[in-house]
Amino acid sequence: EAEVAQSPRYKITEKSQAVAFWCDPISGHATLYWYRQILGQGPELLVQFQDESVVDDSQLPKDRFSAERLKGVDSTLKIQPAELGDSAMYLCASSLDVNNPEAFFGQGTRLTVV
Amino acid sequence: AQKVTQAQTEISVVEKEDVTLDCVYETRDTTYYLFWYKQPPSGELVFLIRRNSFDEQNEISGRYSWNFQKSTSSFNFTITASQVVDSAVYFCALIQNNQGGKLIFGQGTELSVKP
Repeated sequence: EAEVAQSPRYKITEKSQAVAFWCDPISGHATLYWYRQILGQGPELLVQFQDESVVDDSQLPKDRFSAERLKGVDSTLKIQPAELGDSAMYLCASSLDVNNPEAFFGQGTRLTVV
Repeated sequence: AQKVTQAQTEISVVEKEDVTLDCVYETRDTTYYLFWYKQPPSGELVFLIRRNSFDEQNEISGRYSWNFQKSTSSFNFTITASQVVDSAVYFCALIQNNQGGKLIFGQGTELSVKP
């Protein structure tokens, strides 16, 4: 069964260090999303790609976060420098396109900043 | 503005009881989609159902059923004869037609089913 792959599953990093997460969407899915989920809350969108283009990054803290999807397939989300408040679950999701909004999620990367 | 409210933070039931998870949404759009996702302890969000705003027909899938009422802006989820494996956090979510697939999630309801 096709699924969204994310790595790593868990990451512990020290404050001020750089950290990166990787996501490989379901094959053929043009739209890719990165969500952040703080413990006890619902996920919130950080960035949305349509193929290789950013569609929505209005909630991405651009002073420290960056995201890319260079070939319109897999994607990387980077934080530099990490802060204690960045501790959260980072979830990647993909959908066929924006007109087929059923999103499928990966298992997430649980980040702990110490 | 769009918003999803799940007023129940935690629910605890005993196995075989029926349980209803409430979801109330706000949107100014006439075209939108509503979703329910399940998040087990492993962390991934598992898609359960999608409804569009033009389809108020209730749906049943096995032990799961959904009641969509536009008049009260609610999209409630009922599990009949709950099982321990149903223990998870459940999220209701909304996509507005002009938001290109961006999901607006509620805060989630943590369901605990005890044997």
